Amino acid sequence: AQSVAQPEDQVNVAEGNPLTVKCTYSVSGNPYLFWYVQYPNRGLQFLLKYITGDNLVKGSYGFEAEFNKSQTSFHLKKPSALVSDSALYFCAVRDFHGSSNTGKLIFGQGTTLQVKP
Amino acid sequence: KAGVTQTPRYLIKTRGQQVTLSCSPISGHRSVSWYQQTPGQGLQFLFEYFSETQRNKGNFPGRFSGRQFSNSRSEMNVSTLELGDSALYLCASSTSSGTDTQYFGPGTRLTVL
Repeated sequence: AQSVAQPEDQVNVAEGNPLTVKCTYSVSGNPYLFWYVQYPNRGLQFLLKYITGDNLVKGSYGFEAEFNKSQTSFHLKKPSALVSDSALYFCAVRDFHGSSNTGKLIFGQGTTLQVKP
Repeated sequence: KAGVTQTPRYLIKTRGQQVTLSCSPISGHRSVSWYQQTPGQGLQFLFEYFSETQRNKGNFPGRFSGRQFSNSRSEMNVSTLELGDSALYLCASSTSSGTDTQYFGPGTRLTVL
């Protein structure tokens, strides 16, 4: 069965410093990986995805993620954090149990990112 | 393009009642998925509809049901509400294939008293 783990409940960084939000996955077959962000009382906003190709994926708002097959990781990164980046971040993997066209996403538990001025 | 819309945004019900939530996908998207978000269980998949057919179903009791209309709009229904059904219900739409990005609506906050 597919699964995703986000080992940190909360990450604290100072504004201007680089940030990393960690994600590891377990899948059978090729992983289709996603990062979403959620602001309070809002839905999820798509940041980026890895399907195939270059291991470094660039996304919205200056975020990027590095796919590492040997370590089964897909960590989210940003070179310089902003206070406005403070939010809840979710890593997700597409579940391919059964039909390859299923839209089911399996989410990690989420990591709260706190960026302090 | 307009994003995914969900109505109503907030809902308060009492135990035993039933509720219907609505989701309008992004224009051209044919797949609609529903998720339940709670502090304790996180984000859990409810079901997915594609071309008016349920394509996948999560591990929820039969009180949770859904449907999709010919214009791709979707509804989910929860009957005989329980306190534990209080949650944020999120709808997401995508075009069709498994590699496509799912775009989420703002959610419906359901409170069961």
